[in-house]
Amino acid sequence: DTGVSQDPRHKITKRGQNVTFRCDPISEHNRLYWYRQTLGQGPEFLTYFQNEAQLEKSRLLSDRFSAERPKGSFSTLEIQRTEQGDSAMYLCASSPSEGLSYNEQFFGPGTRLTVL
Amino acid sequence: AQTVTQSQPEMSVQEAETVTLSCTYDTSESDYYLFWYKQPPSRQMILVIRQEAYKQQNATENRFSVNFQKAAKSFSLKISDSQLGDAAMYFCAPLLGAGTALIFGKGTTLSVSS
Repeated sequence: DTGVSQDPRHKITKRGQNVTFRCDPISEHNRLYWYRQTLGQGPEFLTYFQNEAQLEKSRLLSDRFSAERPKGSFSTLEIQRTEQGDSAMYLCASSPSEGLSYNEQFFGPGTRLTVL
Repeated sequence: AQTVTQSQPEMSVQEAETVTLSCTYDTSESDYYLFWYKQPPSRQMILVIRQEAYKQQNATENRFSVNFQKAAKSFSLKISDSQLGDAAMYFCAPLLGAGTALIFGKGTTLSVSS
């Protein structure tokens, strides 16, 4: 399977703990996105990478959130000092910058975070 | 601010029938892309259909077609010959520039009955 993968699929943590999620995009895609989706809502944009450069961050991305994409391959999203309001599904998507699928975003299965 | 409105939180259809999901959006851009995504319960978000705003012809993918009205900023999805596997949450999502983020509506939950 050459789709977008995310790890872990589920994470339960206690308030105040740090968590880190990983996303492996489709190998030839140079654009990578993180979204957050709460129950019954559409995904909301968090941040965007082109190769290793983080080009855009949403106001939703507070100081407790940080994302990286070293070497322009996989990406990590870290949440420090988790709060109950951080409970959500965190979705990763990747996109090519050329070709027939130009601008289409391909989504991973998501990481569901529960903060107790 | 860019907004997306899906005015039907829930829709239902019988197998083999046709259903139309509505979407309106607000943008000052002239060149953009529009997508419909499907998210089955507890499953991955997948692309249903895309439309480039510069194309006047409405996109079609098998049983799925769109009615794109650029002046009205309307982008509805028609599902023909509905199947049980079409049951899912459907999201309308404009992409307003290359490399920018999708802007999602709140979604329409479609149920299909036999």
